[in-house]
Amino acid sequence: ETGVTQTPRHLVMGMTNKKSLKCEQHLGHNAMYWYKQSAKKPLELMFVYSLEERVENNSVPSRFSPECPNSSHLFLHLHTLQPEDSALYLCASSPDRGRLETQYFGPGTRLLVL
Amino acid sequence: EDQVTQSPEALRLQEGESSSLNCSYTVSGLRGLFWYRQDPGKGPEFLFTLYSAGEEKEKERLKATLTKKESFLHITAPKPEDSATYLCAVQAVRFQKLVFGTGTRLLVSP
Repeated sequence: ETGVTQTPRHLVMGMTNKKSLKCEQHLGHNAMYWYKQSAKKPLELMFVYSLEERVENNSVPSRFSPECPNSSHLFLHLHTLQPEDSALYLCASSPDRGRLETQYFGPGTRLLVL
Repeated sequence: EDQVTQSPEALRLQEGESSSLNCSYTVSGLRGLFWYRQDPGKGPEFLFTLYSAGEEKEKERLKATLTKKESFLHITAPKPEDSATYLCAVQAVRFQKLVFGTGTRLLVSP
């Protein structure tokens, strides 16, 4: 596998469920990101990890909980979500936090909250 | 507050019909302006970064230009495979993150 991969690609969950999104990068990068893309809205940066340390949290509700166990893997744990959380969740990585010119995106997880 | 506005929201072209997409921005100290292409069901794919007014970059049928207030993505003689959503984003000098616009959905018909 190459680049940035995300699983699952599609997820349907109820508001009381707990699920996790997984991201893996095979590029040797040190920074990883979670973005949310909703219809008719700009991509929103949610979290940034640099060398496995969370360096940015853009006022994201606590029902979203990120985890970065190592520099190749990033998780987004979901619990008690709301219907308005339905969106495409994109993972990205870059060599380091400042080099956004070389930020690579994964294909995303399409999430539907019922 | 840094802001990016893209227009039009959607654009339909015939194959070979050249046009331009607009990205207007306000940012306190521009470090870079980014263009991405996003196909349905996929993540954004990096196209260009522009750093200063007057800069131009080209890739196949695409040419990006930058002024102090806006950027244009010119598409020359487009083909159906150019159909996608084109996203613009800016990075301010003081921040290590991108602020995105809502994108322009381009459809090129044969």
